[in-house]
Amino acid sequence: ETGVTQSPTHLIKTRGQQVTLRCSSQSGHNTVSWYQQALGQGPQFIFQYYREEENGRGNFPPRFSGLQFPNYSSELNVNALELDDSALYLCASSLKGTDGVEQYFGPGTRLTVT
Amino acid sequence: LAKTTQPISMDSYEGQEVNITCSHNNIATNDYITWYQQFPSQGPRFIIQGYKTKVTNEVASLFIPADRKSSTLSLPRVSLSDTAVYYCLVGDRGTALIFGKGTTLSVSS
Repeated sequence: ETGVTQSPTHLIKTRGQQVTLRCSSQSGHNTVSWYQQALGQGPQFIFQYYREEENGRGNFPPRFSGLQFPNYSSELNVNALELDDSALYLCASSLKGTDGVEQYFGPGTRLTVT
Repeated sequence: LAKTTQPISMDSYEGQEVNITCSHNNIATNDYITWYQQFPSQGPRFIIQGYKTKVTNEVASLFIPADRKSSTLSLPRVSLSDTAVYYCLVGDRGTALIFGKGTTLSVSS
């Protein structure tokens, strides 16, 4: 059973640029959630995808968007990067529709915006 | 969504039992209580989840009183490797996880 993987590990972008982060969910999981974690803070929910549809969104602007693919992997896209977007981006997978609601997190992508 | 309150930091020594209490006065009927552990530069890791009374697994115990307005995570005989941030979360299972700032546990030898 493979765990949640994310790519890239680290990324440096310039303000105004666009970035795409990728996540492969744990085998058998149909739900992916994305979180942003600023230094010293807890993770903040961005959105969740279930069977390729957005299934909930946190307080993030529309320039944060996502996709989920038929194999349940996912992408997080951020347009018009701002300095405050510098953070650790975490993806978590889970299996919706059962009693197992534990979310399994990947190691994260560290994004630095300069 | 129920808000949680937990200590910002705690210190302990190896071999001691550590109890971290979380307050959640506005917990809803459908809400479960879940604890996650996070090491620096890693994603959070599920520790334990419960609805009422006591839950125990190989890592920790979770004590929940009858009114469910608080909960206590108990870590038996901590080691240096238990130094981490511990998050208490309250919510309906399957929904987004709402994290607070967590409790930073420092274990010394």
